[in-house]
Amino acid sequence: QQQVKQSPQSLIVQKGGIPIINCAYENTAFDYFPWYQQFPGKGPALLIAIRPDVSEKKEGRFTISFNKSAKQFSLHIMDSQPGDSATYFCAARESGGGADGLTFGKGTHLIIQP
Amino acid sequence: DAGVTQSPTHLIKTRGQHVTLRCSPISGHKSVSWYQQVLGQGPQFIFQYYEKEERGRGNFPDRFSARQFPNYSSELNVNALLLGDSALYLCASSLVGYYEQYFGPGTRLTVT
Repeated sequence: QQQVKQSPQSLIVQKGGIPIINCAYENTAFDYFPWYQQFPGKGPALLIAIRPDVSEKKEGRFTISFNKSAKQFSLHIMDSQPGDSATYFCAARESGGGADGLTFGKGTHLIIQP
Repeated sequence: DAGVTQSPTHLIKTRGQHVTLRCSPISGHKSVSWYQQVLGQGPQFIFQYYEKEERGRGNFPDRFSARQFPNYSSELNVNALLLGDSALYLCASSLVGYYEQYFGPGTRLTVT
């Protein structure tokens, strides 16, 4: 059972465009939603994260939009650059239970063309 | 400051063998989590440890075990290796009570 569904699986955008990656979830106990960026051969790097009481968060060129009623959230990358080409993962943490294990989506392979 | 460090970088083992992977958290971080990332998939949660105790466990068999040491470093042990255990094993550290998790570079395990 996939608890966090991520789309699209792959995405190609021209430099300067705004790639948008979407995630959906069903578990209403999720209370923290981070996005990670991963380059080949490296570990995931935390980009930005949001809590359910906020509808939007911006950090630099990265923006998360969060729709609690629809149980969806998305990552927007402004003024995308070829260096942003990587795999992006959304994730979620479930409240309660005493553990902070993250549930990840399957990832989006993003290519920014020069 | 150094980030999360993991050793070894790469490892090749044979089916049925045992493996130990090591992780040192970011200085000041007392919580360590382990994840398995199969090629082409997102990481899957295995364990979380802090104060040397297991605080949570994902859907992994008992062949997987871990421990945390007084200096907050951690070891992941996998017994009776299967071909399907081939993956990138990631360690993440965090401050206790904070949700942000910071990942190390991982250990690439290949089981032949």
